[in-house]
Amino acid sequence: QVQLVQSGAEVKKPGSSVKVSCKASGGTFSSYAISWVRQAPGQGLEWMGGIIPIFDTANYAQRFQGGVTITTDESTSTAYMELSSLRSDDTAVYYCAMGGYYGSGLYYFFDYWGQGTLVTVSS
Amino acid sequence: DIQMTQSPSTLSASVGDRVTITCRASQSISRWLAWYQQKPGKAPKLLIYKASSLESGVPSKFSGSGSGTEFTLTISSLQPDDFATYYCQQYNSYSLTFGQGTKVEIK
Repeated sequence: QVQLVQSGAEVKKPGSSVKVSCKASGGTFSSYAISWVRQAPGQGLEWMGGIIPIFDTANYAQRFQGGVTITTDESTSTAYMELSSLRSDDTAVYYCAMGGYYGSGLYYFFDYWGQGTLVTVSS
Repeated sequence: DIQMTQSPSTLSASVGDRVTITCRASQSISRWLAWYQQKPGKAPKLLIYKASSLESGVPSKFSGSGSGTEFTLTISSLQPDDFATYYCQQYNSYSLTFGQGTKVEIK
């Protein structure tokens, strides 16, 4: 059974960056696609982008292009999401999620989720 | 991006009720649709994939149907543990999108 454990809560200043990690265990890391999904307070789920480790190429939702960088370290089965130029409306819980994929960039649904990381952006 | 619209946004129901949530896509997504349940402070949990396939370990009181642009999630007999928010998600395109969620609350 795959388990995803994310790094702890962060408090950041506007304009700064944050990097959240997601460590996988109990499965074959490279067999899955890893996505990042965020949820602003009281709001719904929003897919930010994802990466397929064996291809090492990330895909991003259009609204996050240029502001988010998703990477992996296969040696430690860890995925990372870095969000730059933080604004107050980036305050949210960020989830990593793993699931299947087709080809080199078509992501499926999410079988496994991390516990979420709260990122608070405040001056 | 493909827009996903759920209805209703909030559903008030009693224990034992049969409830149905609808999810509509802005264009055809074949059967590439998943449903999730989320409880406060927790990560979403996969219930249904490919419109009607039940995830392993999920009770059979949850069922999904539909294809193209219209889909439904039905809970056959609502129990206290089922009061939560439910989301649909399409995976027909390179950019994944979720519905805005349906909160199922106790009447």
